[in-house]
Amino acid sequence: GAVVSQHPSRVICKSGTSVKIECRSLDFQATTMFWYRQFPKQSLMLMATSNEGSKATYEQGVEKDKFLINHASLTLSTLTVTSAHPEDSSFYICSAREKRGATYNEQFFGPGTRLTVL
Amino acid sequence: GENVGLHLPTLSVQEGDNSIINCAYSNSASDYFIWYKQESGKGPQFIIDIRSNMDKRQGQRVTVLLNKTVKHLSLQIAATQPGDSAVYFCAEGWANNNDMRFGAGTRLTVKP
Repeated sequence: GAVVSQHPSRVICKSGTSVKIECRSLDFQATTMFWYRQFPKQSLMLMATSNEGSKATYEQGVEKDKFLINHASLTLSTLTVTSAHPEDSSFYICSAREKRGATYNEQFFGPGTRLTVL
Repeated sequence: GENVGLHLPTLSVQEGDNSIINCAYSNSASDYFIWYKQESGKGPQFIIDIRSNMDKRQGQRVTVLLNKTVKHLSLQIAATQPGDSAVYFCAEGWANNNDMRFGAGTRLTVKP
């Protein structure tokens, strides 16, 4: 099956620093990638949708200048949390979707990145 | 809203019993639904999907039922095993569109 990887799996950083998380589709081309945030014991909350070569579309309430998303190729999207603060500590999960013909395939999820901001 | 932060409801079953996990979706226009399984510290894993032109679909040990009249989705797991212990999410959206939205999730605990 399709595989999506994320790097790093865990990161601890100091408040005020920036952290970059990579999401890669390993065996398929992802025309669209999604970034989710998940707080403990809660559901996944969609942060933004990114299409290769174009600007990401952010969900309401998600600051685009704080969560920078780059989808430079069909296999790589990055999320940069800028000037991270403790309230940004969360589990960040990416997913990728491959377009097949006229319909979209299901999303394949990465393993997630645990961000802890001290 | 569809991404409301809620504490997860829980379901506890005995090993070997059947499990039924329910989900109320929000948008009557949604035409594509997926059930995901998420184990602790991992990303969601696809289990089964269903289109709105169906009301039932079966997989290996799992069955998804869709009731569009009341916007209700259920996941049935037959002969539940300890390895089925996880959080289960339903997601709704459109087959020809990127966007899928997640429900609140249910934590399934299987007792040996």
